[in-house]
Amino acid sequence: GESVGLHLPTLSVQEGDNSIINCAYSNSASDYFIWYKQESGKGPQFIIDIRSNMDKRQGQRVTVLLNKTVKHLSLQIAATQPGDSAVYFCAEEVAGYSTLTFGKGTMLLVSP
Amino acid sequence: DTAVSQTPKYLVTQMGNDKSIKCEQNLGHDTMYWYKQDSKKFLKIMFSYNNKELIINETVPNRFSPKSPDKAHLNLHINSLELGDSAVYFCASSQGLAVSETQYFGPGTRLLVL
Repeated sequence: GESVGLHLPTLSVQEGDNSIINCAYSNSASDYFIWYKQESGKGPQFIIDIRSNMDKRQGQRVTVLLNKTVKHLSLQIAATQPGDSAVYFCAEEVAGYSTLTFGKGTMLLVSP
Repeated sequence: DTAVSQTPKYLVTQMGNDKSIKCEQNLGHDTMYWYKQDSKKFLKIMFSYNNKELIINETVPNRFSPKSPDKAHLNLHINSLELGDSAVYFCASSQGLAVSETQYFGPGTRLLVL
């Protein structure tokens, strides 16, 4: 299930389940979005990106869905593995600004 | 080989001190960044440099002074450290300025100000 922890929303799943991590963004002018994974004690690592002219993009075991109407982004991880346990961040870029604005982050906990 | 490296990994210091964090990338990238991640994991850009030139300064107090001696290095000097400076500081680099260029992050420097 999904719950709000002390600091971060947390999603707990069993190994082999599919995971869906959600992100709401606020700026309708944002035209580029990225998902990052941050494992404990490490820096964020790029997973997948999507431009605003697309509504879906697939990678290896991951899919990003973009719904511009409701300003919502999701990351789907298929057959979640314990190694997927990490904090996941969405980030957005507003057209014309060369900076990324990061979302709050969601902690994914995968039980064997 | 580490792509983006930072030193030190941990830094514990007293309020009022001055400290520096170093960052090096061996990816041949033109653009480097400093980010601050607070205790709630919120990640925010502080600075970006392109070919040793400051591009972005996101309303960071002037106690923070980045320096880029060459495009492979971006150091961060912090004067008169305050309790609120305690955070994890991440360096990152990318091929160019466009945000669509993937940013590669270092392992972070955990700063604790007492």
